[in-house]
Amino acid sequence: GAGVSQSPSNKVTEKGKDVELRCDPISGHTALYWYRQSLGQGLEFLIYFQGNSAPDKSGLPSDRFSAERTGGSVSTLTIQRTQQEDSAVYLCASSPQGQMNTEAFFGQGTRLTVV
Amino acid sequence: GESVGLHLPTLSVQEGDNSIINCAYSNSASDYFIWYKQESGKGPQFIIDIRSNMDKRQGQRVTVLLNKTVKHLSLQIAATQPGDSAVYFCAEKTGGFKTIFGAGTRLFVKA
Repeated sequence: GAGVSQSPSNKVTEKGKDVELRCDPISGHTALYWYRQSLGQGLEFLIYFQGNSAPDKSGLPSDRFSAERTGGSVSTLTIQRTQQEDSAVYLCASSPQGQMNTEAFFGQGTRLTVV
Repeated sequence: GESVGLHLPTLSVQEGDNSIINCAYSNSASDYFIWYKQESGKGPQFIIDIRSNMDKRQGQRVTVLLNKTVKHLSLQIAATQPGDSAVYFCAEKTGGFKTIFGAGTRLFVKA
């Protein structure tokens, strides 16, 4: 596809379970972002990958959150031992070059509901 | 920490009127600014951008103004239409690195 693809689009999980959210960035984009958006709120930065550089994990809210980016392409955001406050829309974005003034292209997001 | 904030969380305008959405940023080193539009159930989409060496940039029905003296950014939408109803985010970048988003403004267009 031409855009950023995220899966699943919706995820309902029980409190305490682990979840994995997937992001397929636009082909050739070296920068990849994860953001979290709670209902009616703004975008909370989580993590940023740029090429082969060490990721910027400064936005991860706790050690239950982790993310990987394999082969410089697909990224997985993992939330362990989910809590109700983790319920939100998780948005992934990619851009052609992280160190240039370029816009980020967003996926449709994964809506996570922890019950 | 550094953040980008918005003065007005909600804005209601009459169809056909002009809309102005404001944004304050706190990092004077930010050199690139972007406005995004987010419709319900979708990810944010790029509207217009501006670099710090400019103070105005125009697109189709949209204009972004940058006032570096007071660290203020605004988005002007001319002849607002029902399809403009959405949440609008300003965002900043410093040195081309990670994008920092503001809180967002919800725009309601009344028919």
